[in-house]
Amino acid sequence: ETGVTQTPRHLVMGMTNKKSLKCEQHLGHNAMYWYKQSAKKPLELMFVYSLEERVENNSVPSRFSPECPNSSHLFLHLHTLQPEDSALYLCASSHYREWGYEQYFGPGTRLTVT
Amino acid sequence: GQQVMQIPQYQHVQEGEDFTTYCNSSTTLSNIQWYKQRPGGHPVFLIQLVKSGEVKKQKRLTFQFGEAKKNSSLHITATQTTDVGTYFCAGQTSGSRLTFGEGTQLTVNP
Repeated sequence: ETGVTQTPRHLVMGMTNKKSLKCEQHLGHNAMYWYKQSAKKPLELMFVYSLEERVENNSVPSRFSPECPNSSHLFLHLHTLQPEDSALYLCASSHYREWGYEQYFGPGTRLTVT
Repeated sequence: GQQVMQIPQYQHVQEGEDFTTYCNSSTTLSNIQWYKQRPGGHPVFLIQLVKSGEVKKQKRLTFQFGEAKKNSSLHITATQTTDVGTYFCAGQTSGSRLTFGEGTQLTVNP
């Protein structure tokens, strides 16, 4: 499945580094999402963008900064992260309507903060 | 806020045995979706249920949506090693985002 791609696939960064995660969807969707998946925890929705506008921010610390320049691309800018931020970060896309939209996930970026 | 509980958290079966995972919501849902995540992979959409009491089948997988639209189940008949992975339900109420359950991790012993 190549509908949603994410780079890099693996990232190791120190707590003082700045890095960015990239997501691209080729499905013609108009909504994109960032999720965090930690061991033994449910998928945590971080941000939602619809038509390039941020429509949801689930109390995510400011050290995570999303950017959606167009409906096909989504970034997650990272700075001064903590070790507890180590997780799998998943991007997803869907059609945006009030209900009933299935989400298509990318392969994820495995982030390790040292 | 809306909560979606999923049980069991882990299930180990012998190949050929059946498997069921259950999903319960604290609120009435407008729809429920099921996803599968293979080890080292990402969640992949399986199916969506919308109607009260709805039952859908995909080969050996049977999905049910409760009459009250607050619970759902996924049943796999005669498991195979290819069924290994974590199965997530995700529920949605009108106007809200999908809320994922914690998932049931299935292992199948050959």
